[in-house]
Amino acid sequence: DAKTTQPPSMDCAEGRAANLPCNHSTISGNEYVYWYRQIHSQGPQYIIHGLKNNETNEMASLIITEDRKSSTLILPHATLRDTAVYYCIVKDNNNDMRFGAGTRLTVKP
Amino acid sequence: EAQVTQNPRYLITVTGKKLTVTCSQNMNHEYMSWYRQDPGLGLRQIYYSMNVEVTDKGDVPEGYKVSRKEKRNFPLILESPSPNQTSLYFCASSLTVLGNQPQHFGDGTRLSIL
Repeated sequence: DAKTTQPPSMDCAEGRAANLPCNHSTISGNEYVYWYRQIHSQGPQYIIHGLKNNETNEMASLIITEDRKSSTLILPHATLRDTAVYYCIVKDNNNDMRFGAGTRLTVKP
Repeated sequence: EAQVTQNPRYLITVTGKKLTVTCSQNMNHEYMSWYRQDPGLGLRQIYYSMNVEVTDKGDVPEGYKVSRKEKRNFPLILESPSPNQTSLYFCASSLTVLGNQPQHFGDGTRLSIL
């Protein structure tokens, strides 16, 4: 699976959009980009995933660059409850989720 | 409600005393897996199962056993626990083995082996 690079930490003001970047320059054509988050020591929570098109659901939007070498997770109106560690993962059909260190997002009042 | 349920949530035990952590999902998922999470090391996969009676090793299988006799259950067995197995454990499941199916995680089991 391709490796990902994320900033170790980010801050965001409450009510503003949180944009979390992820680099995956070695991604291959059949690998999906997934985003999960983990609040404190709870189980990782699935947020969104995509292959090449941008995706949106009730939680977030996923923007994947045309060359697929990077992506951005957007939380449109961050709240204090969005404070968590966010993981960007790329994976193929072998279904092996490999979690990196992620980005610790802190939403501040 | 669709969920992955782990039990117990917390356990303190002693070296060598066999223990089992249960995992059950009610979503009719084929794929299930176990992870451990340690500070600085992130989540690492222990074992996974693509379907009933099909299990395979993940990245850190030493000291663990699993079984998949029914689709909904995937217990993690520590035959002779040691202190280095003190960790936070997560069970996860997904609909199929295909890569475009997200995994759903349980709430975790915190094990302390003294």
